Amino acid sequence: GAGVSQSPRYKVAKRGQDVALRCDPISGHVSLFWYQQALGQGPEFLTYFQNEAQLDKSGLPSDRFFAERPEGSVSTLKIQRTQQEDSAVYLCASSPKPLGLAGEDEQYFGPGTRLTVT
Amino acid sequence: GNSVTQMEGPVTLSEEAFLTINCTYTATGYPSLFWYVQYPGEGLQLLLKATKADDKGSNKGFEATYRKETTSFHLEKGSVQVSDSAVYFCALKRGAGSYQLTFGKGTKLSVIP
Repeated sequence: GAGVSQSPRYKVAKRGQDVALRCDPISGHVSLFWYQQALGQGPEFLTYFQNEAQLDKSGLPSDRFFAERPEGSVSTLKIQRTQQEDSAVYLCASSPKPLGLAGEDEQYFGPGTRLTVT
Repeated sequence: GNSVTQMEGPVTLSEEAFLTINCTYTATGYPSLFWYVQYPGEGLQLLLKATKADDKGSNKGFEATYRKETTSFHLEKGSVQVSDSAVYFCALKRGAGSYQLTFGKGTKLSVIP
């Protein structure tokens, strides 16, 4: 069956450019997460959606980062005026149930988008 | 705050060798503990988990036991295969209803024939 997909897989941006990263979660999954993984580090939480509602954006590193999930399925992470420190792999994950019922539900991860800012 | 510390890699083993990857954590309350694996070119996959003290998670020959007294969740496998070559991440989630995963830095394992 189809897993979580992300596009593009690789993105090179010049410093100052805006980028948009797409995540297609597993069909029917209520919860969606974005993580940032810097080189040599583990993933770090950015934001959480329950359907179309963004319930937690505490991990977004600055106001240049913006995420949306307008119809409760596909999500886009947008980074404005990219900086070199934004270079990382951006991971999307989805989970079948909403917060509170998620319990120990597994988060299913996509392959990530590797962003390089030059 | 919550944190996970795992042994630094890379780790290189011969096929059929015994594997241990150490993981210790700092967290308030009673977190759930996980091991994720990332094969080359693929996304993170859940390998095993344990939700309370003394629980043992196991999958594909890998095991890890939730040790609250030592705040540890070490990953072990008795006989590794070349196909086990991957990056392994230890992670925690704070408890029921929590959803944020806190990851360690990852340990790269290479198994040579």
